[in-house]
Amino acid sequence: GEDVEQSLFLSVREGDSSVINCTYTDSSSTYLYWYKQEPGAGLQLLTYIFSNMDMKQDQRLTVLLNKKDKHLSLRIADTQTGDSAIYFCAEKRSSTLTFGKGTMLLVSP
Amino acid sequence: GAVVSQHPSRVICKSGTSVKIECRSLDFQATTMFWYRQFPKQSLMLMATSNEGSKATYEQGVEKDKFLINHASLTLSTLTVTSAHPEDSSFYICSASLGTGPLAKNIQYFGAGTRLSVL
Repeated sequence: GEDVEQSLFLSVREGDSSVINCTYTDSSSTYLYWYKQEPGAGLQLLTYIFSNMDMKQDQRLTVLLNKKDKHLSLRIADTQTGDSAIYFCAEKRSSTLTFGKGTMLLVSP
Repeated sequence: GAVVSQHPSRVICKSGTSVKIECRSLDFQATTMFWYRQFPKQSLMLMATSNEGSKATYEQGVEKDKFLINHASLTLSTLTVTSAHPEDSSFYICSASLGTGPLAKNIQYFGAGTRLSVL
């Protein structure tokens, strides 16, 4: 298919690690992104990874890219209640971004 | 970081009126701006790509006469929803690319969005 797929919901306890998964479709995508959206707000760019990279780490965030399987994941270490939001993965196809439907992350105390 | 300001954040209007939404890049020049529409619990749907000084490129199925886009300067793009109807009620979000260069043009920074409710 042509969709970017994500699981719709993830629930974790505060302090645990969260892993949000995404599969994309275009093997020629050059950039892949993770955005965070809090209720009623726009999208905040969390991180991105270039297609020639396998992993990128930025503080509590770790992005893993498996190009063979077209699989992208976002790991949030020591998840906090403030991390509760919807997380979108996106791939860059030619000049535009294609987004998944988003994964709602709920962090409980 | 790059800041994109979008106004208004919320607008309620009567059916048949036109609504203008502004998108500004505050601390950088945006050669390209994008307009998205987001339905509840759905992903973002790209409506159009706007380049400064030229006509916007609309995605398939988006009415260009309904959604007028103007990108008159490197820091401002506007979306006007003309003769709005209840089915146009949605969350509209703009984004801007930082500029030229292999990395900058591949990163989009988003505004906070505008919730439009047409009565």
